[in-house]
This record gives sequence, C-alpha cells and structure tokens, in this order.
Amino acid sequence: DADVTQTPRNRITKTGKRIMLECSQTKGHDRMYWYRQDPGLGLRLIYYSFDVKDINKGEISDGYSVSRQAQAKFSLSLESAIPNQTALYFCATSGQGDLNTEAFFGQGTRLTVV
Amino acid sequence: DAKTTQPPSMDCAEGRAANLPCNHSTISGNEYVYWYRQIHSQGPQYIIHGLKNNETNEMASLIITEDRKSSTLILPHATLRDTAVYYCIVRVQSNTGKLIFGQGTTLQVKP
Repeated sequence: DADVTQTPRNRITKTGKRIMLECSQTKGHDRMYWYRQDPGLGLRLIYYSFDVKDINKGEISDGYSVSRQAQAKFSLSLESAIPNQTALYFCATSGQGDLNTEAFFGQGTRLTVV
Repeated sequence: DAKTTQPPSMDCAEGRAANLPCNHSTISGNEYVYWYRQIHSQGPQYIIHGLKNNETNEMASLIITEDRKSSTLILPHATLRDTAVYYCIVRVQSNTGKLIFGQGTTLQVKP
C-alpha cells in the first residue's frame, strides 16, 4: 500500500458543488500539505498543517478549506467549485527534525470542474 | 526561500550521463539545495539534497559550486524511465515539505 493515499483519484464535478478531497498517510508524520498543479506549471502550496491543531494558509488558499481530522488524515474542500479550480491536486507529508529530509507525495487527484 | 533558474528542457541519450543545471544566486547560508522529479503527472519524488558538499546516493549525484550559487544534478546512466520533470528547490531544512516549485527542467531520455 502507498504511504500517502489520495481519494478519489479522478473526479468531475459541476460548478457550485461542494467537493472534498481526502488524504491519508501511514508515515506517522506530523506535517501534511495540499498542493495544486496546473498544466505545464510546478506545484503551488494551498494549505499545510504541522500538527492536528495547527493549520496554515499557503500561497493560494482562496476558495479552499482544510480539515485535519487526525494525525494521519488531511482533507481539502472546495466549498463552491469553479472551473478555474480544475487541476491536479497533491497531498504530501513530511517529518520533523534534521533526519527527515524529504517530503512524500500522494499519486494525485485529477479534478475537473464543468 | 531563494529563487532558482533551470533550463526548460533537455535531451539525453539512454545510457549516457544526464547533467541538469540549476542557478540559485540568491541562496542564503542556511538554505539547502533539493532535487525532486515528477514522472508523467505522478506525485513528485525526492532525489537528493545538499548544503555545500557534493552528495551522492543510489539515484544521483549533486555537485554544488564553491560559492553555492549553482548546482548540477547528475544521473550517471540515464534510462528511459528517467524521463521526467526535474525540480531544483532551495530552502531551509526545517520546512521540509513546504516547497516552492518552479517550472523545472523536462528531461527527455532518448533511445
């Protein structure tokens, strides 16, 4: 099983609908992240969480909200989806301390808003 | 975090070394150079990182210039499966997962 699992992998939704993307991890990491990727561009940070009680906005948080239900789970919600939120979404985790040098990414959720 | 500059694309023959450059002229003393790659819209994968010394692991080597203003990722024997977008990211080590991605270099390994 993957260390970082995203569900669903693909989703088509209509403008104005609420949608939730889910992420779970088995790495035991405290830190979790949501990124968005548009075609031909690098990933951009939406929200991140350093522990269950800590939520922070990233570079492009408008139109999104998150929930850290447990150490292993971090959900991203689009309260009222719009077409320009069509993108590839990635969840990531990382540990703390000097020995934790890399971030681990899920396989992505391809979201289309029509 | 410091900004990086990478060529948008490069080609490499299969079996040959792939040398991917990155400029980071505004890097600070406590910032590390990280490399990730993304294969065909999959999640990015960590490759290697370094501060000022050259580093090598089972995937690649990282060469950082003495002034730390640029670096080169070396894939010693590129295979077709190394075709990917390679991202050079400069950051402090404490914020491991809070990454600022540029557009990266698309490496095409050709048979």
